[in-house]
Formats: sequence, structure tokens, C-alpha cells
Amino acid sequence: GESVGLHLPTLSVQEGDNSIINCAYSNSASDYFIWYKQESGKGPQFIIDIRSNMDKRQGQRVTVLLNKTVKHLSLQIAATQPGDSAVYFCAENPSGTYKYIFGTGTRLKVLA
Amino acid sequence: DAMVIQNPRYQVTQFGKPVTLSCSQTLNHNVMYWYQQKSSQAPKLLFHYYDKDFNNEADTPDNFQSRRPNTSFCFLDIRSPGLGDAAMYLCATSRDALFFLAANDEQFFGPGTRLTVL
Repeated sequence: GESVGLHLPTLSVQEGDNSIINCAYSNSASDYFIWYKQESGKGPQFIIDIRSNMDKRQGQRVTVLLNKTVKHLSLQIAATQPGDSAVYFCAENPSGTYKYIFGTGTRLKVLA
Repeated sequence: DAMVIQNPRYQVTQFGKPVTLSCSQTLNHNVMYWYQQKSSQAPKLLFHYYDKDFNNEADTPDNFQSRRPNTSFCFLDIRSPGLGDAAMYLCATSRDALFFLAANDEQFFGPGTRLTVL
């Protein structure tokens, strides 16, 4: 069968609170970043993206922050809801390629 | 309407018996990808196509092959599945953002095919 996977880091958040999920990326040549949400048994779903010429981008209830100096990305979810429970991945796209490299992922658990 | 379709959703095969997973897209995107995702791990890129130009990742085993007969379809062939190949296989597409001067290079994922090897 399938090999045993690594345990994903888990973030537990009370419903209604804000969530912050962090990601360290590896390639300083990456110039485009995406946050994905993946629910059990489904493919990753696009949440928000950001290019390297920006340091912040906002969507509906979500904000992505990019710190190129330390190669760090974060996803902020405002007023977290039970439907936000999922695994969240960041992905980086090295400049000049069509490749996307995924980070290790964080499991978000929303407590009622 | 489904944009990236994967069939079947669940596939069971026997150790060493070749298996083919299929992916189709209605987006007319240039780029198609195959990822392998094991339990509690991130998707791992196996290879991608830019049109018919095949790009293999250096650490993708030779056991994995791919075909893209046209823009819409892409296949993943596992020649001799081992127990360690049991995983979710994800297909994704993206547009050539530079060519289309698109605002982003977003990838669209299919629902995945879960492969079990007995």
C-alpha cells in the first residue's frame, strides 16, 4: 500500500478568529507564488496568488504577504470558518519555467 | 462545468500490472502537468508538457511515462506499478501567461485519481 507519510504541521484555530499560515520557499529565482486549499479526497484549489513585485495582496477574507528577503510567504484568513478546515499549500514558480514547487503544507483545523 | 477531468477517480491494479491514468481539459491550455501525492505530503511534480514538448523531472522514475496526443488529453502510464506507487495522481493545466500576457499563471487541478496497488 501507500507508504506512511510525514505528519503535516497542524494549526488549530477557534471559529471566528484569524488564521496565519506560513511557508518558506526555496528558490530565490521564484517570481510567482500561489496558495492552494486542499480538502480531503480533492485536488488543490486556487485561493490567491502574488507576484514578486508585490509584498501584499488581498482577496475576500484572505491576504497573502511576501517577504523576499527571507523567502517567506504567509496566508492570513480573517474570521476563520468551519469550511476553511483543509490542508493549505504554498507553491512557487521559478522565473522562466512552467514548474510549480509545492511547500510541505499545513493542516488547518477550525474549532467550533 | 468540470475543466480538468480525470478518469478513473479510483484505480486498483496489481503489483507489476501496467496501468494508465487519463486526464482531459476543456480550457485549451498549453501546459499540462502530472503530480504524485502521497498521504500527508505535498504534490510532487513528475513531468509536464508545454504543447508537445515533454519535460521530465530528474527524479521521476523510468517506470512513469506520459503521452499527450493532443491539446486536450494527457495520459500517465505506470509500466510496472510497485507498492510504493500507491498514491493520488493529480493532473493540472496552465496557460502560457507570457504568450497571452495573462495576469497570472494559475494552475487548474483535476480531482485526482487514487491508485491502489495490490
